[in-house]
Amino acid sequence: DTAVSQTPKYLVTQMGNDKSIKCEQNLGHDTMYWYKQDSKKFLKIMFSYNNKELIINETVPNRFSPKSPDKAHLNLHINSLELGDSAVYFCASSHLAGYYNEQFFGPGTRLTVL
Amino acid sequence: DAKTTQPNSMESNEEEPVHLPCNHSTISGTDYIHWYRQLPSQGPEYVIHGLTSNVNNRMASLAIAEDRKSSTLILHRATLRDAAVYYCILRDVNSGYALNFGKGTSLLVTP
Repeated sequence: DTAVSQTPKYLVTQMGNDKSIKCEQNLGHDTMYWYKQDSKKFLKIMFSYNNKELIINETVPNRFSPKSPDKAHLNLHINSLELGDSAVYFCASSHLAGYYNEQFFGPGTRLTVL
Repeated sequence: DAKTTQPNSMESNEEEPVHLPCNHSTISGTDYIHWYRQLPSQGPEYVIHGLTSNVNNRMASLAIAEDRKSSTLILHRATLRDAAVYYCILRDVNSGYALNFGKGTSLLVTP
């Protein structure tokens, strides 16, 4: 059983399009995250949700909108895609929003904007 | 957030121990030291964490200096599967819930 799953694994699209990436976790965690890993391999937090409420929103363009329909899902919708959005996006989850609790990551979604 | 410094890369022979260092000279009393690793084309995975005492688990050991300004992740017998980027991360209860990844150390394991 996959703990944190993301769909799709690969996403190739044109500039200006709108796309969504879905994330689901079956670990019973109440906190979920989106991270972005750019071409230089730097991993940065984008958003964090705890019990369906946004608790972290880093300096991310408002073209990115996370949606959490329930505690097990955190989807990422991106409007008006730009070349610079090309990256690998990782979803993660953790049990309780504690600094000592390990985060479980999904396999990533490689987004390529042409 | 307190920052960490790690070597960009290290190399090890298979089945030998590997010591991955991390400096965190500005660590505060409430910072936990976490290690994650990222295997090629995969998401990061938790390795180990500690506060003051040395820690062991099935994956690795974490040795923390007495002044807590540095730590070392120890892989007792490196395998080819351990080739990954290893991240040393400080987590403070006041810094929120996210992991603040640095550049990490890219570990190459040769047969």
